[in-house]
Amino acid sequence: DGGITQSPKYLFRKEGQNVTLSCEQNLNHDAMYWYRQDPGQGLRLIYYSQIVNDFQKGDIAEGYSVSREKKESFPLTVTSAQKNPTAFYLCAVLLGTVKAFFGQGTRLTVV
Amino acid sequence: AQKVTQAQTEISVVEKEDVTLDCVYETRDTTYYLFWYKQPPSGELVFLIRRNSFDEQNEISGRYSWNFQKSTSSFNFTITASQVVDSAVYFCALSEANAGGTSYGKLTFGQGTILTVHP
Repeated sequence: DGGITQSPKYLFRKEGQNVTLSCEQNLNHDAMYWYRQDPGQGLRLIYYSQIVNDFQKGDIAEGYSVSREKKESFPLTVTSAQKNPTAFYLCAVLLGTVKAFFGQGTRLTVV
Repeated sequence: AQKVTQAQTEISVVEKEDVTLDCVYETRDTTYYLFWYKQPPSGELVFLIRRNSFDEQNEISGRYSWNFQKSTSSFNFTITASQVVDSAVYFCALSEANAGGTSYGKLTFGQGTILTVHP
């Protein structure tokens, strides 16, 4: 079954902790993206990667880090430097040349 | 800089009514792509349509139709005879194109419109 798998679905973080959100795809496509969704603000781009071992900052990269060691995986780490991490995080893969296909998301809450 | 505006924060209709969701965009690019996505309560974004900047033909897919007008920088989405299952958040998005004319995949989203269809 082809698709994007994000895990976990729900994640709780204590103040000052780093947490890592997983995004795995078996669609065999190169380009992957991380978006953050806040209520009433739509989605904003955090980081993206168009090939393995390469990634670029999006519009709101501060407080986040990523890696792209293999084509199938693009994990996102929310660091303690991210002051307001509570949000819904969506991973996407670019299919073909123009269509972005999204995972089911991870809802992160700071406790 | 690119910008997408969905002025309607929330829309509420009764089943079988037609409803139009507005989308206005700003870009300096001559080649770009416009999208509509649906986000049901489960959270996953579902792709509905992609339109490139050179194709101003309106499109109809079942009860869905899209009206793209470059002159007004608008890409509006109409649902005809709405159903309860249409209840969701709908996002309009814009993507720049690279030198080859294909999308980078970096999407600029509008704020979203919450559509509620009552039985």
